[in-house]
Amino acid sequence: DIQMTQSPSSLSASVGDTVTITCRASQRISSYLNWYQQKPGKAPILIYAASSFQSGVPSRFSASGAGTGFTLTISSLQSEDFATYYCQQSYTIPWTFGQGSKVELK
Amino acid sequence: QVQLQESGPGLVKPSETLSLTCTVSGSSMSPYYWSWIRQSPGKGLEWIGYIYYTGSTSYNPSLKSRVTISVDTSKNQFSLNLTSVTAADTAVFYCARGAPTSSWSQYFQLWGQGTLVTVSS
Repeated sequence: DIQMTQSPSSLSASVGDTVTITCRASQRISSYLNWYQQKPGKAPILIYAASSFQSGVPSRFSASGAGTGFTLTISSLQSEDFATYYCQQSYTIPWTFGQGSKVELK
Repeated sequence: QVQLQESGPGLVKPSETLSLTCTVSGSSMSPYYWSWIRQSPGKGLEWIGYIYYTGSTSYNPSLKSRVTISVDTSKNQFSLNLTSVTAADTAVFYCARGAPTSSWSQYFQLWGQGTLVTVSS
């Protein structure tokens, strides 16, 4: 299985900050990398897939990477962005997720 | 508006079979992949398997011996059976719609709200 490792596991930030989450794959996965946002008690929401952000995702979100290293950056953090973010690879089955990165309010 | 809704028992006894159904509204089953995913504190998010609307399936090898996913396109439903459950199978189970087959990449585009299944005697 491809292992997906996210860092940091959690971070504290303030509204207006810029945060970056890193996701590393245990082997090359080209661009088959997706990002999800999950808030407590809710299902994950797809925010980035097939190298594009989903409709409605604010432009303060950006993503980059290919191969084994990927990043999700949130600029000018807003209150609604405090959540847990997961990366997920769809390069090969079994599809696997990172362990999550929780963005908390400082 | 597409909606997915999981249904099934919230409590299952050890060694028994966990059975869940996902009812899809607002979307045809075609031409999508339909997945089951679970989330537990100990193992995070884990993809269980998918079924294509034609009935072809793919399962996570870690669960393959215990999992069956089936589809009923006439009812716009797909189902999960997980046999011989233990406490380690306690989790929130989600159903999800994947990308259309025309997409070069697969992802979980839409999710149900999730249902907690506890394995306990």
